[in-house]
Amino acid sequence: DQQVKQNSPSLSVQEGRISILNCDYTNSMFDYFLWYKKYPAEGPTFLISISSIKDKNEDGRFTVFLNKSAKHLSLHIVPSQPGDSAVYFCAASANTGNQFYFGTGTSLTVIP
Amino acid sequence: DSGVTQTPKHLITATGQRVTLRCSPRSGDLSVYWYQQSLDQGLQFLIQYYNGEERAKGNILERFSAQQFPDLHSELNLSSLELGDSALYFCASSPQGTGMTGELFFGEGSRLTVL
Repeated sequence: DQQVKQNSPSLSVQEGRISILNCDYTNSMFDYFLWYKKYPAEGPTFLISISSIKDKNEDGRFTVFLNKSAKHLSLHIVPSQPGDSAVYFCAASANTGNQFYFGTGTSLTVIP
Repeated sequence: DSGVTQTPKHLITATGQRVTLRCSPRSGDLSVYWYQQSLDQGLQFLIQYYNGEERAKGNILERFSAQQFPDLHSELNLSSLELGDSALYFCASSPQGTGMTGELFFGEGSRLTVL
């Protein structure tokens, strides 16, 4: 049972435009969410996180939005750069839990 | 460089065989997690160890086992291998045992191919 879902396997965006990656979750106990970025032949690297007490967290060009009522989070990248081309995974956890649940990833291509 | 080291990076073996994947966590991290990424799949949690003890179990097959040693490195043993076990196996570490409010630091993964 996939508790974290990324329904878009791929996304293409022009350089300089906004990239919006979406993620949905089903478990209402999740209270901490992260986005990871993965380049080929490398392990996932942490990008940005958000706690359920917030609805927005910003770090430079990256902003994560959380809509708890809809059980939905999104990652906005503005402006998008070719170096942002990678697979992005969202992940969720419960504070009392012992694991992160990952989505299947969205492959972002930023076209120069 | 995340500080998490996994060996081997690539491994090709035959069905029915047994392999061992090794992971050294970041210095000071007590928790080690193993994840499996099959084709077009997300990262599936297998198992977590904290300071030498099993802390959580996910979708780990009975043919798979893991342990964490006193020096905190971990090994994932995969036996009676099947074609479907071909995947990327990631190790991650964190300083925490429970209360998942921090990030995981991932190694580069071990790519297993079963022929």
